Amino acid sequence: DIQMTQSPASLSASPEEIVTITCQASQDIGNWLAWYQQKPGKSPQLLIYSATSLADGIPSRFSGSRSGTQYSLKISRLQVEDTGIYYCLQRYSNPLTFGSGTKLEIK
Amino acid sequence: EVQLQQSGPEVGRPGSSVKISCKASGYTFTDYVMNWVKQSPGQGLEWIGWIDPEYGSTDYAEKFKKKATLTADTSSNTAYIQLSSLTSEDTATYFCARSGGGSSFDYWGQGVMVTVSS
Repeated sequence: DIQMTQSPASLSASPEEIVTITCQASQDIGNWLAWYQQKPGKSPQLLIYSATSLADGIPSRFSGSRSGTQYSLKISRLQVEDTGIYYCLQRYSNPLTFGSGTKLEIK
Repeated sequence: EVQLQQSGPEVGRPGSSVKISCKASGYTFTDYVMNWVKQSPGQGLEWIGWIDPEYGSTDYAEKFKKKATLTADTSSNTAYIQLSSLTSEDTATYFCARSGGGSSFDYWGQGVMVTVSS
């Protein structure tokens, strides 16, 4: 199984700051990587797919990048509504695997 | 508008089974596979498996092969997950989410809370 090591586990930042969350894949997964945001009591929402493509309706403050088997989600100009838990997901091979999640708090 | 409408909360006794539905609308049901994801209380997301509604083919994560059965009814555009031999470890919220081609879990159901209790 492909392991997705996500860091940090939690993060606290102020509005307008920039934060970066990373996922390290245990093997090559190409661009089969997506990022999701989940708010309490809600379903996850797709932010980024194919490692770098912005999902429909998602603000351009969110961006994804890849360097080898390391994937990053950058959120620029943080807003209060960005609070939530962020997950990565690899869809390269079954079983599909999620990262462990990053809890983002806005101060 | 794409929607995945899941059934209501379930309470199951230990050793019993529950069946949850996920009704799709706003797109061609057979053009996308349907995934199921488990989220235990306060925990992260686990992929259970997927079903291709067009062919009825399925794939499961190893740990769910004896726990979950995925089916789909193309006449009603509804996907189902049955969870058997329930234990306290099955208490969780279960989501359906579609994917296919370049689409990566772009739409999710609202989730169904399953509580296992005697």
